[in-house]
Amino acid sequence: ETGVTQSPTHLIKTRGQQVTLRCSSQSGHNTVSWYQQALGQGPQFIFQYYREEENGRGNFPPRFSGLQFPNYSSELNVNALELDDSALYLCASTPKGGNPSNEQFFGPGTRLTVL
Amino acid sequence: DQQVKQNSPSLSVQEGRISILNCDYTNSMFDYFLWYKKYPAEGPTFLISISSIKDKNEDGRFTVFLNKSAKHLSLHIVPSQPGDSAVYFCAAIALNFGNEKLTFGTGTRLTIIP
Repeated sequence: ETGVTQSPTHLIKTRGQQVTLRCSSQSGHNTVSWYQQALGQGPQFIFQYYREEENGRGNFPPRFSGLQFPNYSSELNVNALELDDSALYLCASTPKGGNPSNEQFFGPGTRLTVL
Repeated sequence: DQQVKQNSPSLSVQEGRISILNCDYTNSMFDYFLWYKKYPAEGPTFLISISSIKDKNEDGRFTVFLNKSAKHLSLHIVPSQPGDSAVYFCAAIALNFGNEKLTFGTGTRLTIIP
């Protein structure tokens, strides 16, 4: 069984640029969530996708957007990058209707640095 | 508004002793509380959880205690082992949001001293 994978592992961008991060969910998992973990902080919920539609969003501006594809993989897009967007971006997958108390599996994350 | 708080950024414990990590929350609507462990360059991995209707859950060396009246939970690790050195995050889920959004604390770095 393949776990959650994310690409790329590291990325350096400059202010104002746009970035796309990718996530492949664990086999059989149809729900994907994205989190931002700034240095010294806990992960913050960005949004969740279920069956290719957004299913809940955290306190992030519209320049953070996402997609989920029919194979349940997902993308996180960030436009007009700001210095504060520098963080570790984590993807988590879960089976919808699964046990919410233990079935969220995280990928290793993408480290984004904005200069 | 920090709904889940971990007030100790770091903790050092002698190998073989008990490690106690603490977490406080403010939202009484949370249904589950979870502990995740994170090593550098890896994503968080699920450790143990507890339903809001329970006061204790045990899994091997790990026990989580929930005190709803105090809005406080703790993770006990006995005995502590060097491989337990990691950052531990407390997290919570409120199911009435319609999604499995995790609300995390800021983490506690646990160091086990051999």
